[in-house]
Amino acid sequence: GQQLNQSPQSMFIQEGEDVSMNCTSSSIFNTWLWYKQDPGEGPVLLIALYKAGELTSNGRLTAQFGITRKDSFLNISASIPSDVGIYFCAGRGGYGGSQGNLIFGKGTKLSVKP
Amino acid sequence: EAGVAQSPRYKIIEKRQSVAFWCNPISGHATLYWYQQILGQGPKLLIQFQNNGVVDDSQLPKDRFSAERLKGVDSTLKIQPAKLEDSAVYLCASSSQPEVEAFFGQGTRLTVV
Repeated sequence: GQQLNQSPQSMFIQEGEDVSMNCTSSSIFNTWLWYKQDPGEGPVLLIALYKAGELTSNGRLTAQFGITRKDSFLNISASIPSDVGIYFCAGRGGYGGSQGNLIFGKGTKLSVKP
Repeated sequence: EAGVAQSPRYKIIEKRQSVAFWCNPISGHATLYWYQQILGQGPKLLIQFQNNGVVDDSQLPKDRFSAERLKGVDSTLKIQPAKLEDSAVYLCASSSQPEVEAFFGQGTRLTVV
């Protein structure tokens, strides 16, 4: 089946640093989503990408849909303590698919030192 | 707007016991999902409903898991009998339609001992 490789598994950075994480797949996806999950909470959608090559920003967050449609990255600029959490990528293959076709990565755990 | 509501937040049961989880989606959302999230993993879809009909239950272990959404609003997920490997967070999510990204609830953390 389809699988996503998300890296790094964890990151421990200083406040103010920039962060970069990515997801790769051996299969083509037509949608890439990035979520953040805080402890004891459900995932919250940060950025959605629907077109190969698309670059989208949401405040200090920037994500890109790889041109090969097999990868995506998420950058966080000038990290702050509230950026702490687990970031998940999720991909969807096929056109017009539903949320139910999403494949999630294993997550990147971000820790920020003040 | 109220979010997806789930209860209970936490549940501890012994193996071979049964357990049920409840989800109330965002008002007006026709599509409802149940996910299983094992520690250290991303969520994995168990079942998808469109109104009161099942769209996809291909990853639901039907020998022990069941789910229903009788009136097309609230939903329950049941496990009977539970196994140790069922320990996980069970997330409910809803969306206005299948092609729209869904909102997740806080989840129910199940521990099977």
